[in-house]
Amino acid sequence: DAKTTQPPSMDCAEGRAANLPCNHSTISGNEYVYWYRQIHSQGPQYIIHGLKNNETNEMASLIITEDRKSSTLILPHATLRDTAVYYCIVRDSGGGADGLTFGKGTHLIIQP
Amino acid sequence: DAGVIQSPRHEVTEMGQEVTLRCKPISGHDYLFWYRQTMMRGLELLIYFNNNVPIDDSGMPEDRFSAKMPNASFSTLKIQPSEPRDSAVYFCASSLVVGFTRDTGELFFGEGSRLTVL
Repeated sequence: DAKTTQPPSMDCAEGRAANLPCNHSTISGNEYVYWYRQIHSQGPQYIIHGLKNNETNEMASLIITEDRKSSTLILPHATLRDTAVYYCIVRDSGGGADGLTFGKGTHLIIQP
Repeated sequence: DAGVIQSPRHEVTEMGQEVTLRCKPISGHDYLFWYRQTMMRGLELLIYFNNNVPIDDSGMPEDRFSAKMPNASFSTLKIQPSEPRDSAVYFCASSLVVGFTRDTGELFFGEGSRLTVL
C-alpha cells in the first residue's frame, strides 16, 4: 500500500524554483519523510529527509506541514541536470535500517 | 570512497542460463540491499542483509532467485534458471546505521546491473 501520493509529472523552467508536493496523510509520529531522486540510468540518490521541522541542505529544502500530512521539496534554482524522477518516502527510523519502499515518484522535467 | 560497486554493468544471456550479479558495498556499512527496477513495477526491494545475515527476503520473487553475503565486502544475487521476465536493472545499495538519533537513513546505491534475458 502506497504511503505517499505524488503527481506523476511536473515541468519547471530552468532557473526557477521547482516545488514538488507529496501527500502522506497516514504518516505516524516516528516516521521520517525522505526524498530521493533518480536521474536516468543511474541509481537513486538521497536528497534530504526530515521529521517535523523544515530542513535545508546544499541540494534542496524540505517543508513539512505542521500536521505532517504533506511536504514539499524545493529545488531553489532548477537546472537541466535536475531532470529526474523524485521519490517521496516515509520511513520508520526506529533504531534500525530497513529497505526503503519506492513509489512511482514524480518525473520532473526542467525546460530550457 | 569508491561507492557501491556492482558488476557486471550489462549482462545479456539466454533463457535457462545462470546469472550472477555482484556487489561490493561501501566499507564499514552494516546493511546491504538488493533492488530490482522494471518499467512495469518500478523499484522493488528483493532482500536485505544486516552484518552479512539476511534479514528480510520477502521480496525475492521465487526460488530461482538467491542471494548471499559471504563477508562484509561482497554479495551476490543469483538467478538460476533465468527467464525473459527477469530482464531488469538490479541495484545494490548499502547503508550505515549508527543509532536512532543519528540515523540519516541514507541508502547509497550502485550504478546498477542491466540484465537482458533473451
